[in-house]
Amino acid sequence: NAGVTQTPKFQVLKTGQSMTLQCAQDMNHEYMSWYRQDPGMGLRLIHYSVGAGITDQGEVPNGYNVSRSTTEDFPLRLLSAAPSQTSVYFCASTRNNEQFFGPGTRLTVL
Amino acid sequence: GQQLNQSPQSMFIQEGEDVSMNCTSSSIFNTWLWYKQDPGEGPVLLIALYKAGELTSNGRLTAQFGITRKDSFLNISASIPSDVGIYFCAGQLRLGETGANNLFFGTGTRLTVIP
Repeated sequence: NAGVTQTPKFQVLKTGQSMTLQCAQDMNHEYMSWYRQDPGMGLRLIHYSVGAGITDQGEVPNGYNVSRSTTEDFPLRLLSAAPSQTSVYFCASTRNNEQFFGPGTRLTVL
Repeated sequence: GQQLNQSPQSMFIQEGEDVSMNCTSSSIFNTWLWYKQDPGEGPVLLIALYKAGELTSNGRLTAQFGITRKDSFLNISASIPSDVGIYFCAGQLRLGETGANNLFFGTGTRLTVIP
């Protein structure tokens, strides 16, 4: 049981590049979410999904897209990276009010 | 967005001392949770509180859900070196068209324990 896995662990992008942050969970949880963590600001919700085929926006969705084609996977896409998206990104899956977080992806946009 | 004010921002304490941190918000939350984050890892849930006024313990940790549902505190008794880390409060609220419960995090309290 791997829990929540995220890849890559580190990534450096140039402004305007696109990329997808991968997130997978093997706990069969319906609810998954993406957060970004910036210094002094705690974690902020980007997008979330309550099940396959259903996604919705969180607090800070601009510049990010998500999809949920399977229960296991919840990728986060940056279509045109900007320096303001430099952050640590955490994926989480939830069951019975308990969130299980992945190890994070540290993204730097130059 | 929802704003949770967490204090203090950082604490330096001697091993064996007790620690107290709190979180306040202008919003009413359904649930309050406390997380701990170690360097390079995601947050891990410590305690969840579901009812206004609820006081819950988990080992040396005690947390309370405020009566107004707008605040919570976390106490750690007899601190040990492995308590070092960043502690986050989080409030849970229904959000969006799906009506799902989502979490809003405080800014964190960085705890350093001096042996």
